[in-house]
Amino acid sequence: QVQLQQWGAGLLKPSETLSLTCAVYGVSLSDYYWSWIRQPPGKGLEWIGEIQKWGNTNYAPSLKSRVTISVDRSENQLFLKLSSVTAADTAVYYCARGRSAVLIDSWGQGTLVSVSS
Amino acid sequence: QTVVTQEPSFSVSPGGTVTLTCGLSSGSVSPNYYPSWYQQTPGQSPRTIIYTTSVRSSGVPDRFSGSILGDKAALTITGAQAADESDYYCVLYVGSGIWVFGGGTKLTVL
Repeated sequence: QVQLQQWGAGLLKPSETLSLTCAVYGVSLSDYYWSWIRQPPGKGLEWIGEIQKWGNTNYAPSLKSRVTISVDRSENQLFLKLSSVTAADTAVYYCARGRSAVLIDSWGQGTLVSVSS
Repeated sequence: QTVVTQEPSFSVSPGGTVTLTCGLSSGSVSPNYYPSWYQQTPGQSPRTIIYTTSVRSSGVPDRFSGSILGDKAALTITGAQAADESDYYCVLYVGSGIWVFGGGTKLTVL
């Protein structure tokens, strides 16, 4: 059974870089696709991007210029970096596991990141 | 810019049947869009309930079913229970590696 444990800085100032880590337990990163999704307070879900099991990445067009998703296979960890944050990036960020044609079958617990001066 | 549409809200009586839909601002949804559905209650992570149009995720009751109805993906709850009162989100694969979520439907059971 997969477990996803997330962490990262919860409060950022505008223009800083958001960095989150998602540790994966119970399965190998190399066997699945991995996504990041976010949810602003009181709003809906937004797909940020994914890294496929062979390392290819895809990003939401609206965030592509600021986002990097990467993995450390030796540590079985997934990373999200979002640069030049603004208040609009305030959200709960989720890491999630998927596979081909299945965006998400397991979700992390979410991490609230707030951006404020 | 592809927009995925969902009803903002829906209401169903306990024991009743409700169908939520997931469409496109332009065009029809087909199985090639690999529609999935997620359930979320306040303060919780979403839960995957349906993927690839109609496959129920492990542990999901069989009162939940997914399909394509006309030009939209659909989530049907048959015999709704109070526990089904949640927000429901769909997501579609729109090509070129891009996925887009719908705005979500707030389902009330009363």
